[in-house]
Amino acid sequence: DAGITQSPRHKVTETGTPVTLRCHQTENHRYMYWYRQDPGHGLRLIHYSYGVKDTDKGEVSDGYSVSRSKTEDFLLTLESATSSQTSVYFCAIRKTSGSHTYEQYFGPGTRLTVT
Amino acid sequence: AQSVSQHNHHVILSEAASLELGCNYSYGGTVNLFWYVQYPGQHLQLLLKYFSGDPLVKGIKGFEAEFIKSKFSFNLRKPSVQWSDTAEYFCAVNAQGGADGLTFGKGTHLIIQP
Repeated sequence: DAGITQSPRHKVTETGTPVTLRCHQTENHRYMYWYRQDPGHGLRLIHYSYGVKDTDKGEVSDGYSVSRSKTEDFLLTLESATSSQTSVYFCAIRKTSGSHTYEQYFGPGTRLTVT
Repeated sequence: AQSVSQHNHHVILSEAASLELGCNYSYGGTVNLFWYVQYPGQHLQLLLKYFSGDPLVKGIKGFEAEFIKSKFSFNLRKPSVQWSDTAEYFCAVNAQGGADGLTFGKGTHLIIQP
């Protein structure tokens, strides 16, 4: 358990509405990540953060924005949800496991359905 | 950019059978390699990892993996599977020391029949 919580855990929303997912960590890790998981695609990186107010895009960032105003919280926003954004969203943190070696640990996920 | 290929999308085995799941990656530099497991309805858990050194790494629950640099492979093995090993297995890679995220394979759905 890496002290990661995600909220909400389940959400159903309508096309065109804004949605914000929250990831909260309790261990003060610098790096945080958002992934989406879809059948047949594995997990794909949406955005990541390497510090407060420092973020960068991942492989599938179109239609998503992120914010990190505090170390412990990393927010993912869908400005105008589309059905293609129906997915399970996982947050992850990066832990140091040795000299220049890192591991990622994942939160419990948020299942988002866009109708 | 990195890419990861998992050869078997669905595998069905009987209990006590031996398991090997294939994983190949594509990347020009030094990599870190990981296997994650996702039990039904749960989040991903780290099974094992390779950073450097002994290419045969052991993880939790009796799993092991072998890194073969010449083949760009990191196959997962278990000598004798149990019904509780039923899960989705993901191979992942990132550049050593890199701050960006993991690149995942598409996953292998493993079903163990009692």
